[in-house]
Amino acid sequence: DAGITQSPRHKVTETGTPVTLRCHQTENHRYMYWYRQDPGHGLRLIHYSYGVKDTDKGEVSDGYSVSRSKTEDFLLTLESATSSQTSVYFCAIRELATGADTQYFGPGTRLTVL
Amino acid sequence: AQTVTQSQPEMSVQEAETVTLSCTYDTSESDYYLFWYKQPPSRQMILVIRQEAYKQQNATENRFSVNFQKAAKSFSLKISDSQLGDAAMYFCAYRSGKGGATNKLIFGTGTLLAVQP
Repeated sequence: DAGITQSPRHKVTETGTPVTLRCHQTENHRYMYWYRQDPGHGLRLIHYSYGVKDTDKGEVSDGYSVSRSKTEDFLLTLESATSSQTSVYFCAIRELATGADTQYFGPGTRLTVL
Repeated sequence: AQTVTQSQPEMSVQEAETVTLSCTYDTSESDYYLFWYKQPPSRQMILVIRQEAYKQQNATENRFSVNFQKAAKSFSLKISDSQLGDAAMYFCAYRSGKGGATNKLIFGTGTLLAVQP
């Protein structure tokens, strides 16, 4: 499982509420990613990080912000949640050490915005 | 922009039989990687197999193998001796071989595989 945990695993919130999702990894990976999964779209990249305090936008970044103050944690924040952000959110790391250069995923967070 | 297409929303296979899931992709790049991920009901995304575009040999992992046709831009997954535990959503994914931080995966919409006992 590449040592990735996500919290919370499930969350129900109301429109307009701020929400923060946490991704935690224990293996000192430099690159981390946030994707969202929606029916009919597969997974789409929201934001990614290539080091502490180094982040950039993915293809569906509107309404989201991220922070990475230490290597092991990558936070995704919805400043004011909307119903369109109801989704399953996955964190991923990029595994380079084995030479495979492959992304491995956390268990996911199901977010419902009412 | 690169795209990945999985044209079979659902498939079904009998236990112990073989099934092939289709994936096509569109890219102008010559250096890239292709992946199949499995998502069982637990929701966990599990890497099944990966293929480097520069390799002509098709990747194999136990009962899972791919048929990589670079000219046709096709990347199908064959599951042999299907087991009940193979029932899941399967996603095909593409990643550019260019260097850089993004390294993002581009996913297809998935194929839901049912395994009948």
